Amino acid sequence: QVQLVQSGSELKKPGASVKVSCKASGYHFTSYAMNWVRQAPGQGPEWMGWINTNTGNPTYAQDFTGRFVFSLDTSVSTAYLQISSLKVEDTAVYYCAREIPTGTSNWFDPWGQGTLVTVS
Amino acid sequence: QSVLTQPPSVSGAPGQRVTISCIGSSSNIGAGYDVHWYQHLPGTAPKLLIHGNSNRPSGVPDRFSGSKSGTSASLAITGLQTEDEAVYYCQSYDSSLSPWVFGGGTKLTVL
Repeated sequence: QVQLVQSGSELKKPGASVKVSCKASGYHFTSYAMNWVRQAPGQGPEWMGWINTNTGNPTYAQDFTGRFVFSLDTSVSTAYLQISSLKVEDTAVYYCAREIPTGTSNWFDPWGQGTLVTVS
Repeated sequence: QSVLTQPPSVSGAPGQRVTISCIGSSSNIGAGYDVHWYQHLPGTAPKLLIHGNSNRPSGVPDRFSGSKSGTSASLAITGLQTEDEAVYYCQSYDSSLSPWVFGGGTKLTVL
């Protein structure tokens, strides 16, 4: 079945870096864009951006430029989110989600199970 | 502060019907963009429940239904079951902000 499996929880100190992986299975990886969504404690989900799995070209939401990097390894159907110079306020659950394209009515299915990144 | 506004919580007894609202604005729902709904159980992947305002993916019970009118959308759940206890999120497109926007989530408690 189509699924996204993310790497496990991370505990990092401020200033460190973290790399979260998202391994896809059950479908042709490069046929769908991959999105990243952040959910901080007690908050709703926040769209971080997406990566074109064909070209590797990333697009970042306004609040996620500079320290956030999306990348791919298509040979293992895996997307990555790297966050550098971690701050306490980066503490959140990070989700990858496959985007189903219909134009401006796109939705996300499936989602990964989430990776908790704690910065302390 | 989420772009789409949802009530923080709703509750109902088993067998009852509840609705969850999702209020947007003229740059998202009110502009005609579709609304999608997700069900999220703690520690699991959020699950697509409704897409395109009212379409249920295969496997989603017909107890779940969605609708949209004006600048808001609603998710209705009939015949409440204990396994429906979860957090529900709405999502849409926004023409003036980050393209994909979400509601803050509504926690459903089945009493």
